[in-house]
Amino acid sequence: EPEVTQTPSHQVTQMGQEVILRCVPISNHLYFYWYRQILGQKVEFLVSFYNNEISEKSEIFDDQFSVERPDGSNFTLKIRSTKLEDSAMYFCASRELAGGEGDTQYFGPGTRLTVL
Amino acid sequence: RKEVEQDPGPFNVPEGATVAFNCTYSNSASQSFFWYRQDCRKEPKLLMSVYSSGNEDGRFTAQLNRASQYISLLIRDSKLSDSATYLCVVKESNTGKLIFGQGTTLQVKP
Repeated sequence: EPEVTQTPSHQVTQMGQEVILRCVPISNHLYFYWYRQILGQKVEFLVSFYNNEISEKSEIFDDQFSVERPDGSNFTLKIRSTKLEDSAMYFCASRELAGGEGDTQYFGPGTRLTVL
Repeated sequence: RKEVEQDPGPFNVPEGATVAFNCTYSNSASQSFFWYRQDCRKEPKLLMSVYSSGNEDGRFTAQLNRASQYISLLIRDSKLSDSATYLCVVKESNTGKLIFGQGTTLQVKP
């Protein structure tokens, strides 16, 4: 069964450093998402991406964040200058199309980001 | 008011018990509704979509009441493997943005 994959599974970085989290969505999916979950808290939406551009972003997704689909398979989240409060699990998700069965978002296993 | 609100629990039940979780959402324009399951430190996985007419999948039954902005999940004949956090999730916009509740923790004991 096709699945969303993410690398690395765990990233440790120093405050102020740049990190890039990578995702490979399911191949025929058209909509891509990043969410994060701080330990002990709920899953929060960061950004949605469709047709090579951001379609919606949350207040969390400030100028320190960017997303890119550099080729036909990868979808990346970059944090330019990490802060302690960026420590969280970051989930990538994708869905096929709007409505019906295609409304389901499939989540990757996540990248645990630890900022020291 | 929280966008999606759930009782965090934990719900501790014996094997074989029936347990029900409730959820309320604040945005009356919400479009689609889901229950996801999340195991400790893992990704959310879709358990079932929730339709206005109510729907059942084996031991799991989901109901939606749009007028009350209320969603429920019923689990019958609980198994040890049902132990997890159950996330009430609402899709609010055409972009597919999902709004998650805090989750309700279920612990099924032998």
